[in-house]
Amino acid sequence: DIQMTQSPSSLSASVGDRVTITCRASQSINNYLNWYQQKPGKAPKLLIYDASSLQSGVPSRFSGSGSGTDFTLTISSLQPQDFAIYYCQQSYTTPQLLTFGGGTKVEIK
Amino acid sequence: EVQLVESGGVVVQPGGSLRLSCAASGFAFDDYAMHWVRQGPGKGLEWVSLISWDGGSTYYADSVKSRFTISRDNNKNYLYLQMNSLRAEDTALYFCAKSNGRFGGYEEYWGQGTLVTVSS
Repeated sequence: DIQMTQSPSSLSASVGDRVTITCRASQSINNYLNWYQQKPGKAPKLLIYDASSLQSGVPSRFSGSGSGTDFTLTISSLQPQDFAIYYCQQSYTTPQLLTFGGGTKVEIK
Repeated sequence: EVQLVESGGVVVQPGGSLRLSCAASGFAFDDYAMHWVRQGPGKGLEWVSLISWDGGSTYYADSVKSRFTISRDNNKNYLYLQMNSLRAEDTALYFCAKSNGRFGGYEEYWGQGTLVTVSS
C-alpha cells in the first residue's frame, strides 16, 4: 500500500497568515493527489484534485502543487472559516487502496 | 445539487450484521462509481470500498474484505454496504461519496455520514 505522510500534524496560525501543509507519498503517484477540508462534525469537502486543480466553488486562496512524491497545499491568506483539518489522499491506485494522510489540524493562534 | 444521505447506523454487538444505505440525488447516479469511507472516533479517514457505475466491479480495503459487501440499485439511486462479522474496530462514522468517474477516481462529494457503534 502507498503510505501518505502529512506534516505538520497541527499548526497554529493567525487570520491573514500564509499557511503551507505538506504531504509525502511512499512512492511516486504522479499527480494523483487530492486535498480535503473537514470541519468538526461535518463531511470532508474536496478542495484540490490532481495535485493542483481547484474544485469548483473553492476560493482561490487555496492552491496545490507538486508531483511524484512531494506535494503542498497552500492557503494564501488564512480566513476564520479555514480553521479545520486538512487531509491529502492519493488516488493513483484507484479503483482500490486509496489512502489518506493522517491529517493536519489548523488552529487559531 | 448533489445530495447523499446515509442511514442505517446503529449500535450492534460484536459479530453482528448491519446494512447501511445511501440515497443519492442531484446527479446521474448510474454514471458514476461510488465509495464508502469511514472515520473512527477522533481518527482520520479510511477508504472502505468502491463500486463501479454498473455494479460490475467492487473493491475493498483489506480490513473489511470478505466481511463487507458493497452494492447499488441504479433504479432507486441507492448505494448499500452490507456489514457482517462486525468488530469493535469497525466503530466509525461511515460516509458515502460520489466518485468523479465511472470505474474509480476520488471522492468528489460526500454525505454527512451515519454512525456505526460495535459494542456489547
